[in-house]
Amino acid sequence: AQTVTQSQPEMSVQEAETVTLSCTYDTSESNYYLFWYKQPPSRQMILVIRQEAYKQQNATENRFSVNFQKAAKSFSLKISDSQLGDTAMYFCALTSYDKVIFGPGTSLSVIP
Amino acid sequence: KAGVTQTPRYLIKTRGQQVTLSCSPISGHRSVSWYQQTPGQGLQFLFEYFSETQRNKGNFPGRFSGRQFSNSRSEMNVSTLELGDSALYLCASSLAPPTSGGNTGELFFGEGSRLTVL
Repeated sequence: AQTVTQSQPEMSVQEAETVTLSCTYDTSESNYYLFWYKQPPSRQMILVIRQEAYKQQNATENRFSVNFQKAAKSFSLKISDSQLGDTAMYFCALTSYDKVIFGPGTSLSVIP
Repeated sequence: KAGVTQTPRYLIKTRGQQVTLSCSPISGHRSVSWYQQTPGQGLQFLFEYFSETQRNKGNFPGRFSGRQFSNSRSEMNVSTLELGDSALYLCASSLAPPTSGGNTGELFFGEGSRLTVL
């Protein structure tokens, strides 16, 4: 069975600081993709960053970057220079040929 | 470009009733997938449709069904509602099925339909 685990239900960070959200997963598939999605309060969920499992290079999107450790099945999200608008639920997701699995989410609060 | 539109946004039903939710994808997107979001279970995958065909289905009872039309719009239906069906139902569209991964599998979500079952 495929699983996605986010061990930090809630986190907080001071504005302008850096925070790392953890995600671990388990899959027997060799071909899969990993995503981080952000759901701001009462707003639509949007894609933050994606990572193809076959790529060793870690993905980066502006202030967002991932640390992808394939052997350890770990996919953490680093947010640099945190902004108030980063306050949201963050979901780690894994997609393979027949499933989309989301983690339970991490609620991130950015404190001014 | 218009985003993903879900209707209705809010609805209240009683146990035993049925409900139909609608999702209009982004123009040009042929894939629609549905998710149930609850505080206890998080986000769970319901179905995935591409070109009017159901490609994959999550672990939900047969009371949950869906379909996709030729214009890519999708509906999901829940029959014989139970209290536990109260949830936010999210629809997402993508160029290609999300299970195909890659750039074309990126999900664009609607605002959701919040169903309350009394």
